[in-house]
Amino acid sequence: AQTVTQSQPEMSVQEAETVTLSCTYDTSESDYYLFWYKQPPSRQMILVIRQEAYKQQNATENRFSVNFQKAAKSFSLKISDSQLGDAAMYFCAYRSHRSQGNLIFGKGTKLSVKP
Amino acid sequence: NAGVTQTPKFQVLKTGQSMTLQCAQDMNHNSMYWYRQDPGMGLRLIYYSASEGTTDKGEVPNGYNVSRLNKREFSLRLESAAPSQTSVYFCAEGSQLGELFFGEGSRLTVL
Repeated sequence: AQTVTQSQPEMSVQEAETVTLSCTYDTSESDYYLFWYKQPPSRQMILVIRQEAYKQQNATENRFSVNFQKAAKSFSLKISDSQLGDAAMYFCAYRSHRSQGNLIFGKGTKLSVKP
Repeated sequence: NAGVTQTPKFQVLKTGQSMTLQCAQDMNHNSMYWYRQDPGMGLRLIYYSASEGTTDKGEVPNGYNVSRLNKREFSLRLESAAPSQTSVYFCAEGSQLGELFFGEGSRLTVL
């Protein structure tokens, strides 16, 4: 069974600085998706970024980018120029490409942004 | 275009009571999901429906039932609520590109 591990329960970053959130996963499949979701205090789950495993190029969305290391099964999220609005829970998630199966989530990392 | 709509947003039940959480999507996607979120546990899948007319158990299905009424609607029912079912519940729909889109969540408290 696939698993997703986020080893940092909490992280803190100074406004305008850069922070990296870690995520590792375990799977025997070669074709899958990886995601980062943001959950602010409003509790809405917001998609931040997605990566398809067959793509070697790391995904980027404005200030958010990932470092996808397929062989190491690592998928970290880098937030550049951190803003107060980035403060939230961040969840890493895995989904098999093969089926209509569900997203498997890590337990989350709580990010605080200091002014 | 509201995406995924869940009702109710908040509910308080007594042990043994029943209730149904409603979910509707307007993006015409085939797959729909029900998750629960508990502190320190992330989101865990209760049930999902790959397409209209089909449902499958997820990681934590005990104490729940679901109905995929049509392509738009996927409801979650608690027949006899227990305090262990106090949680935040999320409905989601799955896009063809792989990601899931979530509703705003429903906070359920069972006393």
